[in-house]
Amino acid sequence: QVQLVESGGGVVQPGRSLRLSCAASGFTLSGFGMHWVRQAPDKGLEWVASISYDGSNKYYADSVKGRFTISGDNSKNTLYLQLDGLSAEDTAIYYCARGVGTLVRGVSVSSDVWGQGTTVTVS
Amino acid sequence: QSALTQPPSESGAPGQSVTISCTGTSSDVGGYNYVSWYQQHPGKAPKLMIYEVTKRPSGVPDRFSGSKSGNTASLTVSGLQAEDEADYYCSSYAGAQLTVFGGGTKLTVL
Repeated sequence: QVQLVESGGGVVQPGRSLRLSCAASGFTLSGFGMHWVRQAPDKGLEWVASISYDGSNKYYADSVKGRFTISGDNSKNTLYLQLDGLSAEDTAIYYCARGVGTLVRGVSVSSDVWGQGTTVTVS
Repeated sequence: QSALTQPPSESGAPGQSVTISCTGTSSDVGGYNYVSWYQQHPGKAPKLMIYEVTKRPSGVPDRFSGSKSGNTASLTVSGLQAEDEADYYCSSYAGAQLTVFGGGTKLTVL
């Protein structure tokens, strides 16, 4: 069935890096725009980054621009998020999600399939 | 880009209807028909309930409906059921920043 499984989270010191992975199954990543959304402890959802269906366009929230990098590997059907220069404010559950609906700048801004999330703790 | 404004909480008795509002600006909610609503139960991933203002994904009960007027979008839950108790988040296309979320509304079924 259609599924997303995140991995790569953990406890990391401030200033260090981490790479999150999101393995897709049941569909081909290259046909969809994809998103990373995070949720700090007991807080709301925050959009982090998106990549267009063809990988040609990448978008970032101001809070992570210049520090985080979204990418995809079609051969592995896997989405990635490279997190550099981490700070305590980046502590959150990170979800990957598949876009659905009308394409806007190569991305469908709604998300119909979500992973279970991977937790990043910066301390 | 500021977050969209949602009431922190709403409540209703079983069988009643509740409407959750989501207020933005002409640069997001008011400017585009790309408002989505997500339901999130504790410890779970969000679930898409409404997208592009009024569209309902397959499997979402028709008790859930969406609308928009000006800079404010709304999610209406009719015939409230116990399992509807959850946090609800709106989101909207926001131009340069692509997507912005609301702060979330805790829906309590009395």
